[in-house]
Amino acid sequence: DAGVIQSPRHEVTEMGQEVTLRCKPISGHDYLFWYRQTMMRGLELLIYFNNNVPIDDSGMPEDRFSAKMPNASFSTLKIQPSEPRDSAVYFCASSLGWERETQYFGPGTRLLVL
Amino acid sequence: SQELEQSPQSLIVQEGKNLTINCTSSKTLYGLYWYKQKYGEGLIFLMMLQKGGEEKSHEKITAKLDEKKQQSSLHITASQPSHAGIYLCGAPGVGTSYGKLTFGQGTILTVHP
Repeated sequence: DAGVIQSPRHEVTEMGQEVTLRCKPISGHDYLFWYRQTMMRGLELLIYFNNNVPIDDSGMPEDRFSAKMPNASFSTLKIQPSEPRDSAVYFCASSLGWERETQYFGPGTRLLVL
Repeated sequence: SQELEQSPQSLIVQEGKNLTINCTSSKTLYGLYWYKQKYGEGLIFLMMLQKGGEEKSHEKITAKLDEKKQQSSLHITASQPSHAGIYLCGAPGVGTSYGKLTFGQGTILTVHP
């Protein structure tokens, strides 16, 4: 299996622009997670989906952030408008199930907002 | 909310030396995941511990879970440059929040050849 795939790997944008991050989970995995990693706050869970349905978005920082999962093989995380404090590495992860299952991470998207 | 503290924050060792990384939780641990991260890459799953007293090994890496101490340790025997990276521990939530992992800040390991 190719593992979790994320694109783009790097993104540089200017403040105020819309940013869309993409993720393809491992085939057959029912759960998809979006995380953000920063030096100050470490690795934080933003939102997760079960069978394409958003279950818990309590980690999403602001209304500027939104996530969708239109089908089992694709998810997006959108930031509109972007701000310099959104600069971070965004990871997507997927797992087969919920309890006692391993979350497999993608390579991440390194976002820099100028 | 649960907090995980990893110690040390960074570690520099000579190749061949043994080392231990600790992960201490502010609340009861119902399991513990260990991941390794290299710069510019995602997290690589190492091991999952599910119950107190459990110990798992993979190649030269051994992890233990001490429920009473609310702590897990990761031990590397005869370290190699390939072990260098950032080690992260992640704890599951309680009950229906099991899959909502909380992560420690990470331990940066450097291994000099």
